[in-house]
Amino acid sequence: EAQVTQNPRYLITVTGKKLTVTCSQNMNHEYMSWYRQDPGLGLRQIYYSMNVEVTDKGDVPEGYKVSRKEKRNFPLILESPSPNQTSLYFCASSEGTSAETQYFGPGTRLLVL
Amino acid sequence: AQKVTQAQTEISVVEKEDVTLDCVYETRDTTYYLFWYKQPPSGELVFLIRRNSFDEQNEISGRYSWNFQKSTSSFNFTITASQVVDSAVYFCGCYNNNDMRFGAGTRLTVKP
Repeated sequence: EAQVTQNPRYLITVTGKKLTVTCSQNMNHEYMSWYRQDPGLGLRQIYYSMNVEVTDKGDVPEGYKVSRKEKRNFPLILESPSPNQTSLYFCASSEGTSAETQYFGPGTRLLVL
Repeated sequence: AQKVTQAQTEISVVEKEDVTLDCVYETRDTTYYLFWYKQPPSGELVFLIRRNSFDEQNEISGRYSWNFQKSTSSFNFTITASQVVDSAVYFCGCYNNNDMRFGAGTRLTVKP
């Protein structure tokens, strides 16, 4: 089944404790991206990657890192999480090298205490 | 940067009513894509439609229809004869040149 998977789905952590949210797609898609969803703000893009080893900042990259060493994986790294990073995170992928039609993962709900 | 405005935060209708969700976008580019996604209570994001800026033809898919008007920078979404299963948050989005923007979403509640 074609899909985007994220792990973990739920995470509670404390301020400053590094964490990684994994994202993997099995559709051989070139483009991948990360979003956060907050009430009243909709979805905001954190980082995107047009291809392996090519990443760039989205709208709200502060406090996040990403890497794209393999086509299928695009982990989101929070080196020192803070409470304002409490949010619902979505990973997405699309076939071309842009966000033309994105397919989203199931989401990761993060609570930073 | 693009901007997408969904002025309706919440809408509540009774089953079988028609409902239109508004979306207004701002972009300086002549080439861009517009999207609608649905987020049901289960939380996943479901792709509904993509429209490129050169295609102003309206689209109908079953009870769903979309009205793209460049003159007013709008891409409105209408559900005809709404059903309880249409209850969800709907997001409108605009993409160009690696810049993807979504609106804040409209929460639609369809009551039986």
